[in-house]
Amino acid sequence: GAGVSQSPSNKVTEKGKDVELRCDPISGHTALYWYRQSLGQGLEFLIYFQGNSAPDKSGLPSDRFSAERTGGSVSTLTIQRTQQEDSAVYLCASSLISGSYGYTFGSGTRLTVV
Amino acid sequence: GESVGLHLPTLSVQEGDNSIINCAYSNSASDYFIWYKQESGKGPQFIIDIRSNMDKRQGQRVTVLLNKTVKHLSLQIAATQPGDSAVYFCAENPGSQGNLIFGKGTKLSVKP
Repeated sequence: GAGVSQSPSNKVTEKGKDVELRCDPISGHTALYWYRQSLGQGLEFLIYFQGNSAPDKSGLPSDRFSAERTGGSVSTLTIQRTQQEDSAVYLCASSLISGSYGYTFGSGTRLTVV
Repeated sequence: GESVGLHLPTLSVQEGDNSIINCAYSNSASDYFIWYKQESGKGPQFIIDIRSNMDKRQGQRVTVLLNKTVKHLSLQIAATQPGDSAVYFCAENPGSQGNLIFGKGTKLSVKP
């Protein structure tokens, strides 16, 4: 597609429920990133995928968070047993390759845990 | 912890004036830097980038300056317009990893 697409744009969930957030990167971009942005804060790195290499999961805050990328394209970020502190905007970005190129970000998924 | 930070969290300027947003980074191995603009409700948007072998790069109304000696990055916006009102983030690539590290952001408000 023309840009990075994320869905849903907004998600309200009850504490303890699992949620899945989807990211469709730009076609041909081999690198895909997930970041989290709390209200009024900067971007916190979560995980990134580069081609067929093992993902860098070093930013995931707990084992309740996981992500996968199928076929080198679409990615899903899953949060299990959501907590109120998980409330944030989850941003996905893609780039041609990792490291030395700017990212193109999606508009994010605003997650609210009640 | 974060290695990228900003000197000023908020900046208010008059329309037509020039704006300067500053950023400090701590990782001397960083070889690539980017400025992003984020408007309310949207994802960050790429503005301009610079590699460590340069000290200045110009775009349309924007200039990025890199001072590797003091590990300082700045974004200059000429003739600031109301549409420039947003949060601006600097980001660095430390070279040893593929993901960018972002600072906390500076909110730029342009007064008409």
